Parts: sequence; C-alpha cells; structure tokens
Amino acid sequence: ETGVTQSPTHLIKTRGQQVTLRCSSQSGHNTVSWYQQALGQGPQFIFQYYREEENGRGNFPPRFSGLQFPNYSSELNVNALELDDSALYLCASSWKREASNEQFFGPGTRLTVL
Amino acid sequence: AQKVTQAQTEISVVEKEDVTLDCVYETRDTTYYLFWYKQPPSGELVFLIRRNSFDEQNEISGRYSWNFQKSTSSFNFTITASQVVDSAVYFCALVRIQGAQKLVFGQGTRLTINP
Repeated sequence: ETGVTQSPTHLIKTRGQQVTLRCSSQSGHNTVSWYQQALGQGPQFIFQYYREEENGRGNFPPRFSGLQFPNYSSELNVNALELDDSALYLCASSWKREASNEQFFGPGTRLTVL
Repeated sequence: AQKVTQAQTEISVVEKEDVTLDCVYETRDTTYYLFWYKQPPSGELVFLIRRNSFDEQNEISGRYSWNFQKSTSSFNFTITASQVVDSAVYFCALVRIQGAQKLVFGQGTRLTINP
C-alpha cells in the first residue's frame, strides 16, 4: 500500500510568482487536507477536499486555492506569493471525512519565497 | 474557537529518563477527538494515538502512555525509559466532531534524548 506522496520536495520562488504543489493520497482515501507549517510552529489547516469538492477552509486568503481530481489526488495553488508563504506544506489523506479518522500525512513540500 | 497549548517548547533529557509532554486544550464542544502526532526530522507527521472525549480511560502502548483528564482539559503524553530514537517534535491536536476534519495543532514540543 502506497502512502501519501507529495511533489516537489523543495521549491524556491520569488515574491509575486505562482506555485502549484501536488499530492497523491493513500490508496482508497477520498479525503485530502492541506496544512501550512511555518518554521517552529504547528501545522495550520488550509482546506479540505472530499470527493472533488471543498469541504472546509481555514483562515487563508483566496489566493490559496485547490483542486481534487477523480482519482482523489490533489493540488494546492498559491498565487501572488508573499515572503510569509515560506513554509512546509503538508498534505494528509483519510478514507472518510469523519473526525475520528486518522489522517495520514505526506513528507511535505518545503517552499521558500525570496 | 478551538485552541491547543503545548507550553513546553523544548525538552532535553538523558536516555532512559521518563519524560512527560503536556497538552492543554480549549473547546466549547462536548464531543471531540484528541490526537498526538510525532514529527521526525524527515518532516511527515506520524500518528501516535486518538482519544474520544467520552473515553477518559488512560492508555498504555509499550513505553508510551497517555493521561486524558476532561476536567482539566489536558491530554498529556509520557514516554517511559526514553530512547534516542524518540527525539522528534511532538504535536497534540484536536478535531471537532462537526464540520471539516480539521486538526487544530499545538505549537509542538521538541524532545531531545541525549545518549
């Protein structure tokens, strides 16, 4: 069984650019969540997708957007990058969107904005 | 709003010592779930335990044990006879029953076990 994978591993962008991060959920999982983890902080919830629809969103501006595809993989897009967007972006999947379900995390994409 | 506080930013102990990581949470909900995750240097979060707010029974898994006290809104994690491999950042998190499956994390405790 393949776990959650994310690409790329690292990424360097300049302020104002746009970026797309990708996530492949664990086999059989239909729910994907994205988290932003700034250095030395706990992860912050960005949004969740369930069966290709956004199922909840945290306190992030609209320039953070996402997609979930029919195979349940997902993308996180960030427009007009700002220096504060530098962080580790974690994707997590679960087989149901219920609170009790364990979320399985990928290794993350480390984004640096210069 | 939900909030999780891990007051211990960093803990450093010598191998074989016991260590307790504190977690205090705030929520107005009567039902919720609590989690502990471990984050090794590789970055991915590793699930350790899930606890339903209705279940206050303490749990032990090998060298790990968890003490949940709803009356004090605490969910503490103890490692007995710590080992160097336990070195990592540990996060406590809370999830509401309703709505999105949104984990609210504490700031984490960096645990260093010295040989």
